[in-house]
Amino acid sequence: QKEVEQDPGPLSVPEGAIVSLNCTYSNSAFQYFMWYRQYSRKGPELLMYTYSSGNKEDGRFTAQVDKSSKYISLFIRDSQPSDSATYLCAMKPGFGNEKLTFGTGTRLTIIP
Amino acid sequence: GAVVSQHPSWVICKSGTSVKIECRSLDFQATTMFWYRQFPKQSLMLMATSNEGSKATYEQGVEKDKFLINHASLTLSTLTVTSAHPEDSSFYICSTQPSGRNEQYFGPGTRLTVT
Repeated sequence: QKEVEQDPGPLSVPEGAIVSLNCTYSNSAFQYFMWYRQYSRKGPELLMYTYSSGNKEDGRFTAQVDKSSKYISLFIRDSQPSDSATYLCAMKPGFGNEKLTFGTGTRLTIIP
Repeated sequence: GAVVSQHPSWVICKSGTSVKIECRSLDFQATTMFWYRQFPKQSLMLMATSNEGSKATYEQGVEKDKFLINHASLTLSTLTVTSAHPEDSSFYICSTQPSGRNEQYFGPGTRLTVT
């Protein structure tokens, strides 16, 4: 079993819809959670960074962490064609130079 | 956010030659930098972690004599692929963690093709 599980998709939704992307994990030591967006042939771009359980909102993006269920989500409201990309969840146990553990990524397409 | 650059963005080299890839943090100092490789439609695979002024820590299965990493300053790390072979063709991405912060910021990546 992988430490972080993420549905690879592909996921296609119509423009304007709410998108829900999810990851589950098995290591209860993870406390810091990140979501990255990666366009084709580009490096990942940090979208959201959260610590422990709770919600964090930034514009059209909301990150949600439920540590009791070992489940994290990224919601995208009013989705746009420019949101079409691969979304990677990542996490680490502590504050420091520890490496990130990544999900496999979900490929998302927003249909105009 | 934080800005990270990589050079070159794309390189083609002949089998047996060496290629150097630079990673720079443009607006912050980074004690730690990470090097990843990514094959098509796959996730990122960490190759090594480098700390300024010390030897890099390589992940299991990554040949340290083939992938030379130098982190000589707080804003620059280099990855040299020595005696490159076609199977080394991949997308190489660096990331940096600003000093005192916990999140990682990625460079735009370098596409290496070995013929």
